[in-house]
Amino acid sequence: NAGVTQTPKFRVLKTGQSMTLLCAQDMNHEYMYWYRQDPGMGLRLIHYSVGEGTTAKGEVPDGYNVSRLKKQNFLLGLESAAPSQTSVYFCASSTGTGKNIQYFGAGTRLSVL
Amino acid sequence: GQQVMQIPQYQHVQEGEDFTTYCNSSTTLSNIQWYKQRPGGHPVFLIQLVKSGEVKKQKRLTFQFGEAKKNSSLHITATQTTDVGTYFCAYTGTASKLTFGTGTRLQVTL
Repeated sequence: NAGVTQTPKFRVLKTGQSMTLLCAQDMNHEYMYWYRQDPGMGLRLIHYSVGEGTTAKGEVPDGYNVSRLKKQNFLLGLESAAPSQTSVYFCASSTGTGKNIQYFGAGTRLSVL
Repeated sequence: GQQVMQIPQYQHVQEGEDFTTYCNSSTTLSNIQWYKQRPGGHPVFLIQLVKSGEVKKQKRLTFQFGEAKKNSSLHITATQTTDVGTYFCAYTGTASKLTFGTGTRLQVTL
């Protein structure tokens, strides 16, 4: 049981480059989330989705776009990377009901030079 | 959304000592969740508290939710090196979104 899988695990970008982070979950969860984690700041929500075809902004959405074309996948895009986007990115999924436990992927370490 | 503050930011203990981290909110929370993140790892769910004054135990870990549902604590008895990591509290808001505290990093040495 893979759970939540993120690709890639590491990436180095130059300022202005674009990239897409992929998150896939095999738990049939309705809700999916993208967070960034910076030292001393905990996890901050970038965007989230409450179901296939839907997305919504979180706490820090600027500079990012997302898509949820299939229930199991949630993509995070950076159109023009900036050094301020250097961070560790985590994807998570949940049922959205009951205890709503969030299951996290292993993370993507992104450096923007 | 509401802010949750966690204290301390960092604690270093000797193995066998106890450890407590506190999570405080200025407003009433519907629930509180606790997650643990090992160094280099990802957050892993530990527990959820929902009721006022609720206390739950998991082996050496004791979780409490305050009577006013504005604060919570995680207490570890007799720490072990396997307890090393960052402990986050989080609460569920609208659309089942989690808002995380800033975390407490625990270091345990022999």
